[in-house]
Amino acid sequence: QQPVQSPQAVILREGEDAVINCSSSKALYSVHWYRQKHGEAPVFLMILLKGGEQKGHEKISASFNEKKQQSSLYLTASQLSYSGTYFCGTEYETQGGSEKLVFGKGTKLTVNP
Amino acid sequence: KAGVTQTPRYLIKTRGQQVTLSCSPISGHRSVSWYQQTPGQGLQFLFEYFSETQRNKGNFPGRFSGRQFSNSRSEMNVSTLELGDSALYLCASSLGIIGANEKLFFGSGTQLSVL
Repeated sequence: QQPVQSPQAVILREGEDAVINCSSSKALYSVHWYRQKHGEAPVFLMILLKGGEQKGHEKISASFNEKKQQSSLYLTASQLSYSGTYFCGTEYETQGGSEKLVFGKGTKLTVNP
Repeated sequence: KAGVTQTPRYLIKTRGQQVTLSCSPISGHRSVSWYQQTPGQGLQFLFEYFSETQRNKGNFPGRFSGRQFSNSRSEMNVSTLELGDSALYLCASSLGIIGANEKLFFGSGTQLSVL
């Protein structure tokens, strides 16, 4: 079951902040975040585990809300280099372990000067 | 350390043909997974291989198959190509089985066009 990402697209000016959400209807075990720049391979940003702490990567951080089964990616003081499509990948809880990683459709972020 | 290598980079085929894509993971990585990427659909999981065994398979028809060799290199095969198979096919490798502590390293993909 594919997680739902919102918004689908966002346009920022350099220095502005943005939040990207990733929601699931099933209980989550972990959430992974990747960024893909145009014409390039997706690149790992961070993993959040159920019950884990908020993670950070430069000025990009993320949280995991177990009650809402949702993760949010926070981009603060955006830079031109942040432009790209952000994907969340969710791993679901099952009896005895977890299921395969399922990615959302992505959020296209454009940062303008 | 070399990254994930996918060959070929581009492929043009016609309907009904079959195609084989190749993926060489990062040295030491034992898990290889495959994804189909089309505009607006994100990354659709195809399958994951670990130590030459298929661990998981996505919701794709049986025309899509794969295998992994003893050196962890993987191939993906699509038979009887359809126009809808046109997509970017990405391969990712990780040290262990896809899971909570494993980050994926993606290759640049193979762009398949079916005419």
